[in-house]
Amino acid sequence: GAVVSQHPSWVICKSGTSVKIECRSLDFQATTMFWYRQFPKQSLMLMATSNEGSKATYEQGVEKDKFLINHASLTLSTLTVTSAHPEDSSFYICSARDAGRASYNEQFFGPGTRLTVL
Amino acid sequence: QKEVEQDPGPLSVPEGAIVSLNCTYSNSAFQYFMWYRQYSRKGPELLMYTYSSGNKEDGRFTAQVDKSSKYISLFIRDSQPSDSATYLCAMSAPGANNLFFGTGTRLTVIP
Repeated sequence: GAVVSQHPSWVICKSGTSVKIECRSLDFQATTMFWYRQFPKQSLMLMATSNEGSKATYEQGVEKDKFLINHASLTLSTLTVTSAHPEDSSFYICSARDAGRASYNEQFFGPGTRLTVL
Repeated sequence: QKEVEQDPGPLSVPEGAIVSLNCTYSNSAFQYFMWYRQYSRKGPELLMYTYSSGNKEDGRFTAQVDKSSKYISLFIRDSQPSDSATYLCAMSAPGANNLFFGTGTRLTVIP
């Protein structure tokens, strides 16, 4: 149980294009999903918290117009990197909290999406 | 001062050794403590979850929390090459959405 998938697992795009990454909770409902960014040999950096049906909350320094987050259902959140540039190249990981286990604060992570912007 | 401090390593041990991984933290409100294992180019996988102080054992893994010292540990007994990964500690306060992560310790178990 508590499986989170991400699609695509890797993507290469040209500078200036937009890329959409999907995060799905496969066997549970996730009222809250999180988007992280991870640079090589570094820890996870929280970008934003996404609640189903409402606007995402972005961490300080994260451009909300550049990283568009949509959490349209209890099982799907999307991150769109708009007008991507080489410095946006990174490993993007989503996680989800199980709404059925609200007393816990476990986050279940997706496998990550490696974005390379040429 | 960071909320969570973790020695990034790298740490290399021979197969069969006991591994000790540690994190310290500054926020006394933290009550939930987790250890995640992350293989290269993969998402983190939850290994152990502990609430408040005490020990928790699961197979070869033991998690310890000492809230008085704001110190948590993960012990791996009879380490295996398949344990080679980056181990991240994470913690949060009740009612909080966010997890605070350590930087991760890269472990290599040498056959």
